[in-house]
Amino acid sequence: KAGVTQTPRYLIKTRGQQVTLSCSPISGHRSVSWYQQTPGQGLQFLFEYFSETQRNKGNFPGRFSGRQFSNSRSEMNVSTLELGDSALYLCASTGNRGVNTEAFFGQGTRLTVV
Amino acid sequence: AQSVTQLDSQVPVFEEAPVELRCNYSSSVSVYLFWYVQYPNQGLQLLLKYLSGSTLVKGINGFEAEFNKSQTSFHLRKPSVHISDTAEYFCAVNPNTGFQKLVFGTGTRLLVSP
Repeated sequence: KAGVTQTPRYLIKTRGQQVTLSCSPISGHRSVSWYQQTPGQGLQFLFEYFSETQRNKGNFPGRFSGRQFSNSRSEMNVSTLELGDSALYLCASTGNRGVNTEAFFGQGTRLTVV
Repeated sequence: AQSVTQLDSQVPVFEEAPVELRCNYSSSVSVYLFWYVQYPNQGLQLLLKYLSGSTLVKGINGFEAEFNKSQTSFHLRKPSVHISDTAEYFCAVNPNTGFQKLVFGTGTRLLVSP
């Protein structure tokens, strides 16, 4: 069974640009969550999608958005990039609606904003 | 709101020695508890989880953790570490609110030397 796939693995963007990151969950998983990891703030929850609906959102500005497609694949978008958006963005998928199941993480997309 | 505290940012230990990584949490609702490991340039891998039942939980790679409700702790232990255990370890809680949202500690870097 294939794991969680995130593309691309590495990305370099310029301040002010926008970026779209992609996440393909494990087959059959309907919940996809996104996290930002930085040395200063650690791992922070961005948002979670289930069956194309955003169920929960973290404390990030509106420049961070996401969506989920009918095949459960998810994308997150960051507009008007700032230097502080440089981070490892991790996607996780889980198998059902419950919170008592394991979240499977992808290898992440490392975004560098210059 | 929930929070997770990992007091030790770095734990150096010699190979074959025992190790304990500490984790304390606070929450106004019941939570599920997890330990994840992250190797360089990788995503997160689940080591073990506590959902209910026995307070001693065994995980992969010889790790185990004990849930202590009165002390709100979930410390990770291994009786004998290997060089390959060198990695970053994250304690996390998932509040039982119906949504998939992990709250992470700041991580503990385990450094195993020969």
